[in-house]
Amino acid sequence: AQTVTQSQPEMSVQEAETVTLSCTYDTSENNYYLFWYKQPPSRQMILVIRQEAYKQQNATENRFSVNFQKAAKSFSLKISDSQLGDTAMYFCAFMKHVRGGSNYKLTFGKGTLLTVNP
Amino acid sequence: DGGITQSPKYLFRKEGQNVTLSCEQNLNHDAMYWYRQDPGQGLRLIYYSQIVNDFQKGDIAEGYSVSREKKESFPLTVTSAQKNPTAFYLCASSPGLAAPRTDTQYFGPGTRLTVL
Repeated sequence: AQTVTQSQPEMSVQEAETVTLSCTYDTSENNYYLFWYKQPPSRQMILVIRQEAYKQQNATENRFSVNFQKAAKSFSLKISDSQLGDTAMYFCAFMKHVRGGSNYKLTFGKGTLLTVNP
Repeated sequence: DGGITQSPKYLFRKEGQNVTLSCEQNLNHDAMYWYRQDPGQGLRLIYYSQIVNDFQKGDIAEGYSVSREKKESFPLTVTSAQKNPTAFYLCASSPGLAAPRTDTQYFGPGTRLTVL
């Protein structure tokens, strides 16, 4: 079974600064996907970024980028130029690739609460 | 507007009553999912459906039931057999079998269920 660990329950950052959230996972699979979702106070779960394990290039989405280290099973999220609207709970999630079928099993970490201070 | 809707936003139930949570999507996604979120926890999978008229149990299906009669709809019933139903419930959908290499789950706004 896969497990996802987020070792930082809470973090804070000043507006306009950069912050990195950590995520490690445990799996014996070779093909899989990794995600970061954010959950602001509204509690809507919003996709931030997605990474395919077979791609060596780190995914980026505007101010959000990841550092994917497959051998170390590490998947950290970097937020640049932090904004007040980035305040949210951030969840790391793992999904294995099911050959010939739909990938259904998202395994979540327990989340990191990020607060951006003015 | 394409998206996933859940209703109601807040739901109160007396002990011993069944209650049904609604989830609708107009993204033309094949797959739909129900998750439960408790304080300080990540999401846990209750049920999922990869195609109409088919669904499978997730990790914590006891005390819950679902149906998938239409592609757009995946209602969740919380039965009286669920011992601790107070939680935040999230519905998600994804392209599923239609796009296995790019399959990504998108979430609705959630329903907060409180048992009185």
